[in-house]
Amino acid sequence: DGGITQSPKYLFRKEGQNVTLSCEQNLNHDAMYWYRQDPGQGLRLIYYSQIVNDFQKGDIAEGYSVSREKKESFPLTVTSAQKNPTAFYLCATGQGTSLKNIQYFGAGTRLSVL
Amino acid sequence: DQQVKQNSPSLSVQEGRISILNCDYTNSMFDYFLWYKKYPAEGPTFLISISSIKDKNEDGRFTVFLNKSAKHLSLHIVPSQPGDSAVYFCAATAETGANNLFFGTGTRLTVIP
Repeated sequence: DGGITQSPKYLFRKEGQNVTLSCEQNLNHDAMYWYRQDPGQGLRLIYYSQIVNDFQKGDIAEGYSVSREKKESFPLTVTSAQKNPTAFYLCATGQGTSLKNIQYFGAGTRLSVL
Repeated sequence: DQQVKQNSPSLSVQEGRISILNCDYTNSMFDYFLWYKKYPAEGPTFLISISSIKDKNEDGRFTVFLNKSAKHLSLHIVPSQPGDSAVYFCAATAETGANNLFFGTGTRLTVIP
């Protein structure tokens, strides 16, 4: 079954804790993206990666970190430096490396702070 | 500062009528625009796009119009169907210096049978 898998669906973070959101794809797409959605706001780009072992900061990268060790995987770590982590996180992939290319989204992970 | 704005959070339309969803942007460097549709509990899916060298792009029941001078684009759905009920996001990016795809806040469309 082809697609993008985000896990877990729901995640809870304690104060001062780092948590990692998983994003796996079997579409063989080069580019992968992480977005954050807050109520009443559009999706905001956190990080993106156009190729393995390379990634770029988006609009709101502070308090987050990523890695791209494999083409299929682009995990996002929400660090303790992110003071307002409660949001809906979406992972996306794209066939090319341009932001103009169609992006395919996962179903998302909802992160809440305990 | 929101560079892409969708000022109508919701829209209700009768089945068979036209739905018009609007989007405004502030950055004159944007030269490519996309519309995505999102159903509950799913990720957004691509719908249609338009380059700034065009003022219209059509795909079946969906047409996007771009007015560069007004920095405005609109998505027309005709005829509207109940299955079109979803949240619609517009997004914009630029060819040069582009390290971001900017999304609007979304418009929830309800098509009434």
